[in-house]
Amino acid sequence: NAGVTQTPKFQVLKTGQSMTLQCAQDMNHEYMSWYRQDPGMGLRLIHYSVGAGITDQGEVPNGYNVSRSTTEDFPLRLLSAAPSQTSVYFCASTRGAASDGYTFGSGTRLTVV
Amino acid sequence: QKEVEQDPGPLSVPEGAIVSLNCTYSNSAFQYFMWYRQYSRKGPELLMYTYSSGNKEDGRFTAQVDKSSKYISLFIRDSQPSDSATYLCAIGDSWGKLQFGAGTQVVVTP
Repeated sequence: NAGVTQTPKFQVLKTGQSMTLQCAQDMNHEYMSWYRQDPGMGLRLIHYSVGAGITDQGEVPNGYNVSRSTTEDFPLRLLSAAPSQTSVYFCASTRGAASDGYTFGSGTRLTVV
Repeated sequence: QKEVEQDPGPLSVPEGAIVSLNCTYSNSAFQYFMWYRQYSRKGPELLMYTYSSGNKEDGRFTAQVDKSSKYISLFIRDSQPSDSATYLCAIGDSWGKLQFGAGTQVVVTP
């Protein structure tokens, strides 16, 4: 199994550009989440989903959109990139809240100039 | 005040020593407790998962949860240089949302 796959691994954007970070999992997990990781801040939840068609905001949702049309995919869209969105983004999935913890992808390193 | 507090370190120990890591949290609604290990430029990797107070062992790793004190710990016995990484505590709610500590950098010196 591939687990959680994130693409691209690296990206440089100009301020104001938009882009989509892709996340796919092949474990039939219902729960998926997006986190950003900044130095000294740990991981902060951006958006999460408890199943296809169901999404909700996390701690830092502004400037990001998500949708969940299939169980496998959970893309994260940056609407108009800002330097404050320079970060490492991680996607994660799990069977359910009471299951055995989240599996994380390898991350997307985004720089906004 | 952050929901989960974790000393960022770095914590330096000699090979073979016991590594002791801990976190405190403020919201008693959280029900699930995890420890992740993260190597540089990699994604977090789940080490331990528990949902009850008490101890849970897995090889050289022991996770300890005290819900009454809102305190969680991770102990690594017989530490190895390969254990050098950042260790993240995380607590989860019934919706599957996780709150992470800032992470503690651990360095195990040969």
